Amino acid sequence: AQSVTQPDIHITVSEGASLELRCNYSYGATPYLFWYVQSPGQGLQLLLKYFSGDTLVQGIKGFEAEFKRSQSSFNLRKPSVHWSDAAEYFCAVGAEDNNAGNMLTFGGGTRLMVKP
Amino acid sequence: DAGVIQSPRHEVTEMGQEVTLRCKPISGHDYLFWYRQTMMRGLELLIYFNNNVPIDDSGMPEDRFSAKMPNASFSTLKIQPSEPRDSAVYFCASSSVGGQYFGPGTRLLVL
Repeated sequence: AQSVTQPDIHITVSEGASLELRCNYSYGATPYLFWYVQSPGQGLQLLLKYFSGDTLVQGIKGFEAEFKRSQSSFNLRKPSVHWSDAAEYFCAVGAEDNNAGNMLTFGGGTRLMVKP
Repeated sequence: DAGVIQSPRHEVTEMGQEVTLRCKPISGHDYLFWYRQTMMRGLELLIYFNNNVPIDDSGMPEDRFSAKMPNASFSTLKIQPSEPRDSAVYFCASSSVGGQYFGPGTRLLVL
């Protein structure tokens, strides 16, 4: 079975600074990887996803993530954070042999706070 | 597409009452998921359907919870009788291949 760890429960960055949110997964084969964002009072919005191919994935809102098989990681990055990026971020993993990747295992989330 | 639609957005009820949450998935998606989110337990998968058939309901907390999907465009999650510990945000999500898409959630408060 797959699992996901987001080591940082809370992160605070200054507006305009760069951001990296960590995600480590456990799965024996090539996983399907996702990042979601949840703003207060909202549902989870899909930021980006990795299935195969180029290991650097571009998403919405200026986010990107890099799949590193050797490190079992899929870290989310943004070069310059905006105050509106304050939210909770979830990493998730799916598997091709698990209902065509539709079943996802979510990490515990990282809450991002942005200082003015 | 309008995305996943959930109703109601907010529900306040008294202990012992029946609560019905509704979900309309994205057209063409063949998977539908119900989740519950609380501060203490995070995001929990309750049940999911494939082509309207329940596949795994092991996350349903107890017999007070039931879910149905009578057709490809509608699902319900029912709690009967409701208890204060059921207070949470309930999300519906649908997917084909390519990731799950979440609705805005129903915020349930049981007094």
